[in-house]
Amino acid sequence: NAGVTQTPKFQVLKTGQSMTLQCAQDMNHEYMSWYRQDPGMGLRLIHYSVGAGITDQGEVPNGYNVSRSTTEDFPLRLLSAAPSQTSVYFCASSYATLSGELFFGEGSRLTVL
Amino acid sequence: GIQVEQSPPDLILQEGANSTLRCNFSDSVNNLQWFHQNPWGQLINLFYIPSGTKQNGRLSATTVATERYSLLYISSSQTTDSGVYFCAVDTNAGKSTFGDGTTLTVKP
Repeated sequence: NAGVTQTPKFQVLKTGQSMTLQCAQDMNHEYMSWYRQDPGMGLRLIHYSVGAGITDQGEVPNGYNVSRSTTEDFPLRLLSAAPSQTSVYFCASSYATLSGELFFGEGSRLTVL
Repeated sequence: GIQVEQSPPDLILQEGANSTLRCNFSDSVNNLQWFHQNPWGQLINLFYIPSGTKQNGRLSATTVATERYSLLYISSSQTTDSGVYFCAVDTNAGKSTFGDGTTLTVKP
């Protein structure tokens, strides 16, 4: 049982480049979300999805794009990377939005030069 | 939006000591979870506890939803308990909000 899988684990980008962080879950969870964690801080919600075809913005959505074409996958796209997007990114999923326990992937460390 | 405050921000213990971590939140919530982030950055689920009390070995948690707080108890602490402990709450909007965490250091 893989749970929540994120790739890549590490990535270095130059300012202006674009990339996609992949997230997949094999638990048939409805709810998926992306967070970023900056040093010494808690996790902040970027985007979330309550089911295939439905996405919404979280607390810090600017500069990021998401889509949810399948229940299993929830990729996060950086359109034009900026140094302020240097962070650790976590993907999470849960069975339901109102009563679900969150499960996290292992994180993706992104550095933008 | 909802505010989540954790205290204390930092805690240093000697191995074998007990501790209590607190999470206050500013509005009604549907879910509350405690996580441990280990030194390798992994987020480990400790408790899913929107109300009541749960225990798992040396750890236990209590949430008093009507008074908008939750407590995480760690007894007989071990060096492997070191890391950051996060509280996360989920409101009706389905968005989870995290506190800034409590950094625990357990010294041998």
